[in-house]
Amino acid sequence: DIVMTQTPLSLSVTPGQPASISCKSSQSLLHSDGKTYLYWYLQKPGQSPQLLIYEVSNRFSGVPDRFSGSGSGTDFTLKISRVEAEDVGVYYCMQSIQLPVTFGQGTKLEIK
Amino acid sequence: EVQLVESGGGLVQPGRSLRLSCTASGFTFGDYAMSWVRQAPGKGLEWVGFIRSKAYGGTTEYAASVKGRFTISRDDSKSIAYLQMNSLKTEDTAVYYCTRDYSHFDYWGQGTLVTVSS
Repeated sequence: DIVMTQTPLSLSVTPGQPASISCKSSQSLLHSDGKTYLYWYLQKPGQSPQLLIYEVSNRFSGVPDRFSGSGSGTDFTLKISRVEAEDVGVYYCMQSIQLPVTFGQGTKLEIK
Repeated sequence: EVQLVESGGGLVQPGRSLRLSCTASGFTFGDYAMSWVRQAPGKGLEWVGFIRSKAYGGTTEYAASVKGRFTISRDDSKSIAYLQMNSLKTEDTAVYYCTRDYSHFDYWGQGTLVTVSS
């Protein structure tokens, strides 16, 4: 199975400041079809997970442009340019290049 | 608007069975694979399994932890996906989410809680 490792596991950020989460996979997520099967989700308190970023760097419909994703191969980063109060929750990276689909452990973001 | 609504959760004794349903609306259900993802209390996300669309054979894949005990099926005429869970164990206690699967999970239901306890 592909292991997804996120750092840090928790993050406390002042509103308006940036935040960054790293996700490393145990194998390359670059497929022969040219796509990289790395995704980011946010689970707000008491809610279902919601898709933020697909294929490394594409924002899903309705996701604010303060969220951005980058990376390649096995190293990926989610950045929030200016954290807002509504961004609190747990962020997960996920790979789907190979079954079983696997998630990172989650990174809990709280507001200072 | 895409909507996924799970139902069927509840309290069940170890060794017993339970069937969850996921009723979809707002998209052409038959065109998509559907996945189930679970989350044990206070824990992270775990993929359970998925069913391909009929165009891709309607076949299924499962996580090792549930293979042989859980079965996913679909009724495209009703836009419903099912998760049949047999031989339930205490470690299957979790919120179960159904998701639309487009090589990733773009829409999620609100989840249904399954508690396996004597």
